[in-house]
Amino acid sequence: SQTIHQWPATLVQPVGSPLSLECTVEGTSNPNLYWYRQAAGRGLQLLFYSVGIGQISSEVPQNLSASRPQDRQFILSSKKLLLSDSGFYLCAWSGGEAGIYNEQFFGPGTRLTVL
Amino acid sequence: GQNIDQPTEMTATEGAIVQINCTYQTSGFNGLFWYQQHAGEAPTFLSYNVLDGLEEKGRFSSFLSRSKGYSYLLLKELQMKDSASYLCAVTPTGGGNKLTFGTGTQLKVEL
Repeated sequence: SQTIHQWPATLVQPVGSPLSLECTVEGTSNPNLYWYRQAAGRGLQLLFYSVGIGQISSEVPQNLSASRPQDRQFILSSKKLLLSDSGFYLCAWSGGEAGIYNEQFFGPGTRLTVL
Repeated sequence: GQNIDQPTEMTATEGAIVQINCTYQTSGFNGLFWYQQHAGEAPTFLSYNVLDGLEEKGRFSSFLSRSKGYSYLLLKELQMKDSASYLCAVTPTGGGNKLTFGTGTQLKVEL
């Protein structure tokens, strides 16, 4: 079976500090990978997606970047956090050899608070 | 552009039936999803519609009309644990299998 992991679960960071959130997928190969942000009381906003190693597409201009150094690893980063970066960050995967329809499977999320 | 509309909040009684509507306007269409999200948790998949009609899965059903840009999620025999946010999401055509989400409908189930 397939599983998706994210860490850390919660994070409190000062403004101007760097950020690194990690997501890994097990049990499938060559998945599509996604990073979403959900601000309080709002819907999910797609930040980045990747269809393969080293292939990153950015959906909205922002203070964040993403990288995919390995097939099942997706990293979200920032050099200097802003207050507006606070939110619930969700990683998701779809497709690969185990994909069903086009469904996306979500990780447990990281709640980031920037102070 | 992409535009997905859902009611912000709904309240229903335990044991009753509730219908959550979703209308969409997207650049291309390749399927519509419904997800359930409890507070502080990740969304979980409920249903997927790509053709017109009704898809039934236990207490949950989802309907799609592509010509009207309209879907609804029907929840029967409501339980207290059904209190959650219900997210409508559309896959537009194009690469990456991306999802565009609505802001979600917060459902409260009362005794």
